[in-house]
Parts: sequence; structure tokens; C-alpha cells
Amino acid sequence: QTVVTQEPSFSVSPGGTVTLTCGLSSGSVSSSYYPTWCQQTPGQAPRTLIYNTNTRSSGVPDRFSGSILGNKAALTITGAQADDESDYYCVLYMGGGIWMFGGGTKLTVL
Amino acid sequence: EVQLVESGGGLVKPGGSLRLSCAASGFTFSYYTMNWVRQAPGKGLEWVSSISTGSSYTYYADSVKGRFTISRDNAKNSLYLQMSSLRAEDTAVYYCASQDYSNDFPHWGQGALVTVSS
Repeated sequence: QTVVTQEPSFSVSPGGTVTLTCGLSSGSVSSSYYPTWCQQTPGQAPRTLIYNTNTRSSGVPDRFSGSILGNKAALTITGAQADDESDYYCVLYMGGGIWMFGGGTKLTVL
Repeated sequence: EVQLVESGGGLVKPGGSLRLSCAASGFTFSYYTMNWVRQAPGKGLEWVSSISTGSSYTYYADSVKGRFTISRDNAKNSLYLQMSSLRAEDTAVYYCASQDYSNDFPHWGQGALVTVSS
């Protein structure tokens, strides 16, 4: 059973840049997996930030960007702000109509 | 204003059934594939099921296949999830989420809590 992997936690200083990654336990992530990134703050519904690897969802500031880095999908936050402190989830299209979430990365801004 | 409002959550005994609803407004519901995503207490997100715009195609995570049924009524701008043979591990907040033709997931509901316990 393939698993979508993410760093459990990460920290960044205010104003700094951080890159979160999304991989597969077996194989490489490519644009064919339509990598999507969602942000969730505690007690709130998720919000989509990035879809199709690098397209920002409506209203998402351009300090959020997506890419493929090596064999993983990546979410880069440039100029981190205090309210970026959230859980970040990637989700990949596995084929056959099936999507799979990663375990999420808890980002701390301090 | 775009809204997705889930309802129908609650406490149910193991082996029981429950039907969740998601009422959509503020966008053309029939144009969007719709999804259910759940989150167990203190855990991450899990994709559960999706249904195509005209209901021709439905998909399920292995964890719910054969027990859950997704459906929609475009005339009523509503999405449903019929859950049966419920287990303790189905306890979660269930979110409905839209998905457009470009695979953006632009709209999310606030969630409905389902608790499976005796």
C-alpha cells in the first residue's frame, strides 16, 4: 500500500522561507499526480492553497508557491507570517478516481 | 456567498447507519465533482469518496468501500453520504468539498461530527 509522506513538523522564523515536501513511500511524485496543498488551522475547515502542482487557488497570496523538487512535490512559503502557523496537507491523485492525503506537516512560525 | 453546509452528524452505535447531507449555495453545484473528506479526532485528513457531476461515476477509499454510498441531487444542490455498518474508526468530522474541472478544490464545508460509540 503506497503512502503519501510529509514531514511531521517544521519551523520557520517570521519573514523566512520554508519548503514543505510531499513524497511517496514507493516511487516519485510528478505532475501526473496533480499535487494539491491544503492549509488547516485548528478547529477550522481546510482551505486549498495550490492545485495541479503550482496553480494558486483563488485568493491565495503569491508567497505560497508549488513545484516539483526532485522526486517530490513541494510547497514553498516565502516571507512567512504568524498566521501561516497551521497544518499543511498534500493530496495526490492516485488514479482510478482515488485521492490520497499525506499525514500533514505542522508548521510553527517562531 | 459560496456555502457548503453539512448536516446529519451525531452519535450512532457500532453497526448502525447515518446519512450526511451537504447543502450547496452560491455556485453552480451541478458543474462540480463533489467529495467527502474526513478527519478523525487529532488526526489528519482522509479522502473518503467522490461523485461526478452527473452521478455517473463514484469512487471510494478502500476503508469505506461497500459500507458507504455517495449520491447527489443537482436539482436540490445537495450531496449525500449514506453510511452503514459503522465502526468506531469511522468517528470523524466529515467535510464536503467541491472539485472543479481543473482539479481545484475551491469550496469546503465546516464539517459534521460523526461519533460511533456504544
